[in-house]
Amino acid sequence: ETGVTQSPTHLIKTRGQQVTLRCSSQSGHNTVSWYQQALGQGPQFIFQYYREEENGRGNFPPRFSGLQFPNYSSELNVNALELDDSALYLCASSPSTGGMKETQYFGPGTRLLVL
Amino acid sequence: RKEVEQDPGPFNVPEGATVAFNCTYSNSASQSFFWYRQDCRKEPKLLMSVYSSGNEDGRFTAQLNRASQYISLLIRDSKLSDSATYLCVVNYRNRDDKIIFGKGTRLHILP
Repeated sequence: ETGVTQSPTHLIKTRGQQVTLRCSSQSGHNTVSWYQQALGQGPQFIFQYYREEENGRGNFPPRFSGLQFPNYSSELNVNALELDDSALYLCASSPSTGGMKETQYFGPGTRLLVL
Repeated sequence: RKEVEQDPGPFNVPEGATVAFNCTYSNSASQSFFWYRQDCRKEPKLLMSVYSSGNEDGRFTAQLNRASQYISLLIRDSKLSDSATYLCVVNYRNRDDKIIFGKGTRLHILP
């Protein structure tokens, strides 16, 4: 086990709704990254937070937003849900360097289904 | 050309055999390289980082070829428990740091 936890484990929403996913990073890690993994695909980088600031973003629209809290836990918010947002959402934490070169430790993910 | 490309497989390999797969990347500014392993319906887990000089961890060997822009993973004496999807991961920095996962190569070890 990596020590990275995510909640909820599963979620069902309808189109147009909003969702908040949560992640607690491994102890001692202050960098959190979020990924979207569709069925049969590799994880796609959404964004990374380092010390409560966004530190890099992938090709996702602004309706994907995030937060990092002083305890380094993080939230991913998705507004105006679309059917294609159905995926496994993975959170990964890494040690305190703020870059992407470090090993990432993944949580078990949240499976989101949008109907 | 996709930023990170992998043969999706599946590779069906008898137990005990040696198997190798490659991953190509398009951005020459790529800085860091990793292989992750993902079991069915589980999260990815780091298998090994890939260093310029190549590196070995037990039955696993990773190589980097910057000139041809690919990394490779070799698994010797394959075990049934090696069955998984192997994800190639590349980090590069232009204006922002980016980390790109390949789609993965599925490996089935046959008894």
